[in-house]
Parts: sequence; structure tokens; C-alpha cells
Amino acid sequence: DIQMTQSPSSLSASVGDRVTITCRASQGISNSLAWFQQKAGKAPKLLLYGASRLESGVPSRFSGSGFGTDYALTISSLQPEDFATYYCQQYYSNVRRTFGQGTKVEI
Amino acid sequence: EVQLLESGGGLVQPGGSLRLSCAASGFTFSNYAMSWVRQAPGKGLEWVSVISGGGGGTYYADSVRGRFTISRDNSKNTLYLLMNSLRAEDTAIYYCAQEVNAYCAYWGQGTLVTVSS
Repeated sequence: DIQMTQSPSSLSASVGDRVTITCRASQGISNSLAWFQQKAGKAPKLLLYGASRLESGVPSRFSGSGFGTDYALTISSLQPEDFATYYCQQYYSNVRRTFGQGTKVEI
Repeated sequence: EVQLLESGGGLVQPGGSLRLSCAASGFTFSNYAMSWVRQAPGKGLEWVSVISGGGGGTYYADSVRGRFTISRDNSKNTLYLLMNSLRAEDTAIYYCAQEVNAYCAYWGQGTLVTVSS
């Protein structure tokens, strides 16, 4: 199975900060990586797919990068509505998708 | 507009069974693979199972293989998850999701399953 190691597990930040969350796969996943945002009591929402492709309607302050086994989600200027938990998911394995452990972004 | 509505959750005793449903609308259901993803209280997301658009291909997480069965009825635009031999650790919100090129593009709001005596 492909394991996804996400870090940090939580971080404190302020409005306007630049925030970066990383995800490392246990093997190469050829950019088959998605990022999700989940707010308390709500379903996850797709932010990016293909490691760096922004989902329609998602603000451009969100961006993704990486290749091989190492990937990152960056929020260029944190907004009040961005305080949430973020997850990465690999979908390189057609047999078994896996999520990272999540990163809680809080004030 | 893609809409996914889960139902069928509830309280069940350990060892019991439950069938979840996910009613889909706003897209051609049979053209898309569908997944179930769960989230235990206060925990992260766990992928559970996926089924191909035609229903011929199914895959499961190790934690549920042999106990859970994913299926779909494309004539009813509905996805199912039959859960047998339920354990306390299966307690979670269960989400269905539409897959686009293998990533979960759209999610339902979830249905809560509680396994407890």
C-alpha cells in the first residue's frame, strides 16, 4: 500500500500569512495527488488535483506543487475562511486510495 | 449541479449489519466511478471502497474487506454499501463521493453510523 505522510499535523497562523503543508508518499505517485479542505461539521471540498491543478471556483491563493514522492499545498495569504483541516490523497493506486493524516490550520 | 445524498445510517449493535445508500443526481451516474470514505469521530479521512462506473470493478480497504460490499444500481442512480459484522471501530460518518479521473471531485454530506451495544 502507498502510505501518505502529511506534515505538520497542526499549525497556528495569522491572517495574511503564507502557509505550506507537505505530503510525502511512500513511493512515486506521478502527480496523482489531490488536496481537500474540510471545515468543522462539513464534507471535504476538493481544492486541487493532479498535484497542481486548481479546481474550478477555488481561490488562486491556493496552489500545489511537487513531483515524485513529495508534494506541497501553499496558501499564499491566509484568509479567515481558510481556517480548516486540510488533507492530501493519492489516487495513483487504482486498487487503494489513501489519505494523509490531515493538517489543522488554526489561529 | 452534482448532488449526492447519503442515507441509511444509524445505531447498530456490534456484529450487526447496515446498508447505506447514496442517491446521485446532476450527472450521468453510470459514467463515473464512486467511492465511500469514512471519518471516525475526531479523526481523519479513511478511504473505504470504490466501484467502477459499470459496477464490474470493486476495491476495498484492508480494514473492511470481507465484511463490506459496495454495489450500485445505475437504473436508480444509487450507490450502496452493505456493512456486515460491524465493529465499534466502524463508527464514523460515511461519505459517498463521485470520482473524476480517480480523485473524489464531489462529496455528499455524509451519514453517521454508530456501532454500540
